[in-house]
Amino acid sequence: DVKVTQSSRYLVKRTGEKVFLECVQDMDHENMFWYRQDPGLGLRLIYFSYDVKMKEKGDIPEGYSVSREKKERFSLILESASTNQTSMYLCASNSGGFTDTQYFGPGTRLTVL
Amino acid sequence: GEDVEQSLFLSVREGDSSVINCTYTDSSSTYLYWYKQEPGAGLQLLTYIFSNMDMKQDQRLTVLLNKKDKHLSLRIADTQTGDSAIYFCAESEGGSGNTGKLIFGQGTTLQVKP
Repeated sequence: DVKVTQSSRYLVKRTGEKVFLECVQDMDHENMFWYRQDPGLGLRLIYFSYDVKMKEKGDIPEGYSVSREKKERFSLILESASTNQTSMYLCASNSGGFTDTQYFGPGTRLTVL
Repeated sequence: GEDVEQSLFLSVREGDSSVINCTYTDSSSTYLYWYKQEPGAGLQLLTYIFSNMDMKQDQRLTVLLNKKDKHLSLRIADTQTGDSAIYFCAESEGGSGNTGKLIFGQGTTLQVKP
């Protein structure tokens, strides 16, 4: 059974804090993705990675960075959290190619006070 | 750039058919997808259609693709309260090779009334 897990379901942080969101997949997938989901805006791609230590910016990378040191783990980092980063964060993975569906984690709801 | 548009809300009565519509801009998309997100959960793939197909049926789900108008629809027959969720349309990003990147719509919240 395929599985993508995220380190926290709910997180509350203060403005200016450094925040780490962790994602782990157990399917040996090459590609991993971080999205944020906001009402009325759908899913917007923040960063993705197609191999260990490789990363590419998505549509809204500003204020975020990522790390992929191992194939199964993809971390999203908010260097200095701001209130406009309050959102639902979704991680996904796939093995590449158009026919390969993306498998999603349950999401982390982050609130920045 | 590529864009995917959906209406935000649809309300139907239990037992009726639901039709969720989506328009997209990238004519080079190879696959188009429908995902379902139940409350408090991530997205799950419902179905997908290859761009050279007009229709795909899977039990209560029917996907129609009008490539000329760049219009995709998802019909759910005999809608049940368990179908209440957010439905996302997505297209594969044209020319992206094997990155598997998808462009998502805003999501349509389906409310099923008993």
